[in-house]
Amino acid sequence: GAVVSQHPSRVICKSGTSVKIECRSLDFQATTMFWYRQFPKKSLMLMATSNEGSKATYEQGVEKDKFLINHASLTLSTLTVTSAHPEDSSFYICSATKLNIQYFGAGTRLSVL
Amino acid sequence: QQQVKQSPQSLIVQKGGISIINCAYENTAFDYFPWYQQFPGKGPALLIAIRPDVSEKKEGRFTISFNKSAKQFSLHIMDSQPGDSATYFCAASRGYGGATNKLIFGTGTLLAVQP
Repeated sequence: GAVVSQHPSRVICKSGTSVKIECRSLDFQATTMFWYRQFPKKSLMLMATSNEGSKATYEQGVEKDKFLINHASLTLSTLTVTSAHPEDSSFYICSATKLNIQYFGAGTRLSVL
Repeated sequence: QQQVKQSPQSLIVQKGGISIINCAYENTAFDYFPWYQQFPGKGPALLIAIRPDVSEKKEGRFTISFNKSAKQFSLHIMDSQPGDSATYFCAASRGYGGATNKLIFGTGTLLAVQP
C-alpha cells in the first residue's frame, strides 16, 4: 500500500480566519493529488485536482479564491480555506495516486465557529 | 452522465450473512470501478476494484459482480462480520483511476452487521 498523511486531523477556528490543511505522500511521490469535501453521512465531493508545479484545477462551483491549493513539491499539497465561515465546516480529505490506485488521507475535520 | 447511483442507503445484516450493495452508472467511458470502505472519522480505503473486461472479481470475502450491458456493478460481502460495519462507496473513473483521472463516487451505503 501507500501512506497519505493529513494534518491536522481536527481544527476549530473563528469565523474570518484562514486555515491550512496539509496532505503528504509519505512513501511515494505524487505529481497529482486530489482534494475532496465530505458532509456528514454524505458522499465525497471532488473539489480540485492539485498538480505539482502548476495551478490546481477546480471543479465547477468551487471558489478558487476561497480554497487555495498549493502543490509545491512531489510529496506535499496544501489546502487553505481563506476567511472561513461556518458553512465551510466540513470533513476535508485528500488523496494521492500510486500505481493507479488512489490512497486517501485520514481527513481533516474543520469546525468554524 | 457523471453520476454513479448507489443503493441501498443503509443496510443491516446479521453476522454471517451476505451484504449486497448495488451501483449503476451512465457514462460508458468509465473503465475502472473501485469500492472503498470508510470508518467514521477516517478517510476511505480501497477494498477491491474491477475493470469492465471481467464480470466478476473476488478477494477473500469480497466479490464485485459487473454487468457491462446493464451498466451496473455490485459488492457482495460474504460471511459478514461486525468489523465490516462501515460506510461503503462505489466509484467510477476513466482511465483506470490513474494519476490524473477523477473518481466519481456513489452516495454511500452505511452497513451495520449485527452480532
